[in-house]
Amino acid sequence: NAGVTQTPKFRILKIGQSMTLQCAQDMNHNYMYWYRQDPGMGLKLIYYSVGAGITDKGEVPNGYNVSRSTTEDFPLRLELAAPSQTSVYFCASSREPRYNEQFFGPGTRLTVL
Amino acid sequence: GESVGLHLPTLSVQEGDNSIINCAYSNSASDYFIWYKQESGKGPQFIIDIRSNMDKRQGQRVTVLLNKTVKHLSLQIAATQPGDSAVYFCAEIPISGGSYIPTFGRGTSLIVHP
Repeated sequence: NAGVTQTPKFRILKIGQSMTLQCAQDMNHNYMYWYRQDPGMGLKLIYYSVGAGITDKGEVPNGYNVSRSTTEDFPLRLELAAPSQTSVYFCASSREPRYNEQFFGPGTRLTVL
Repeated sequence: GESVGLHLPTLSVQEGDNSIINCAYSNSASDYFIWYKQESGKGPQFIIDIRSNMDKRQGQRVTVLLNKTVKHLSLQIAATQPGDSAVYFCAEIPISGGSYIPTFGRGTSLIVHP
């Protein structure tokens, strides 16, 4: 199993540009999550999904959108990038949320200039 | 909202020593706790978990202790090695609301000196 994969690894955007961060998992997990991690800080939940076609907001959803058309994929869309969105983004998945660990991808480092 | 906090942002130890990383949580409704390790440039990795009906759980070289009375969680690493150098996060998962969304602490940076 490849586990959770994310692309790209790094990206530099200009203010106002848009991009999609890709996330895929091959463990047939129902639950998927997007987090951002700012320097010296913990993970903050952006969006999560409990299954294909179902998504919900986390703690910091403004400026982002998600979709979940398949069990495997959970892309994160940034519209009109702002410097405040400079961060490292992690995608994660879990079989069930309760009493189960989350498996994390390697992260995407995004800089908005 | 309630959040998980860590007492020390950085912990420096000598190779071979035992390490103890602490975590305070404030949500009494949390019933599942996880410790993650994050190496530089990588995503967090599961280390060990514990349910609220337990007060201790042991893994390979790691032990997690849970004190629900004072809402305190600790991770003990025995015979710390340079490869243990990383940031360690605790996460709490509440049972209220049915969403089971974890809250992560800021993390403690463990530095192991050879």
